[in-house]
Amino acid sequence: DVKVTQSSRYLVKRTGEKVFLECVQDMDHENMFWYRQDPGLGLRLIYFSYDVKMKEKGDIPEGYSVSREKKERFSLILESASTNQTSMYLCASGLAGGRETQYFGPGTRLLVL
Amino acid sequence: SQQGEEDPQALSIQEGENATMNCSYKTSINNLQWYRQNSGRGLVHLILIRSNEREKHSGRLRVTLDTSKKSSSLLITASRAADTASYFCATGGPMEYGNKLVFGAGTILRVKS
Repeated sequence: DVKVTQSSRYLVKRTGEKVFLECVQDMDHENMFWYRQDPGLGLRLIYFSYDVKMKEKGDIPEGYSVSREKKERFSLILESASTNQTSMYLCASGLAGGRETQYFGPGTRLLVL
Repeated sequence: SQQGEEDPQALSIQEGENATMNCSYKTSINNLQWYRQNSGRGLVHLILIRSNEREKHSGRLRVTLDTSKKSSSLLITASRAADTASYFCATGGPMEYGNKLVFGAGTILRVKS
């Protein structure tokens, strides 16, 4: 079974803090994704990566950055957290981006105070 | 704007009844996928249907795709209380539209026992 794990289930941070969310997958997938999920808006793509050290902006990259130093690990960084970044963050991995199934982690619920 | 839009937004049925959810989209697609999300958890992939397929089955799930109407439906037969969840459609476009999935806002299904 594919397993995607995320470093925290719940996180509380203060405005202005630097926040790291980490995602690890064990299926040797080339593609990894970070989404945020907000009520009524579905999932929106923040960034994705199709290879080590490669990254592409998604639909809402502002205020976020990512890092992919190893194939199995994809990190999302909030350089200076703001209250409007309070959300559920979901990581996913897959073989071929939008053309195949994506496998999701359990999510991190982030609260920025 | 979002590619996939689910209808209805919420659905409440009795155990044993069938549940039908619909998804409409706007542009050409390579495939359409359905995912389930239990409360506060990550998404679980249910079915992927490609643009050259019209119908697909998996256990109690039946998915249809009508590319001429740019719509899909997910039918869950003989529903159970455990089917209570949010259901999302996601479209994977041709490469020229980007190698990513675009999700709708979801349908909340409640199955009463």
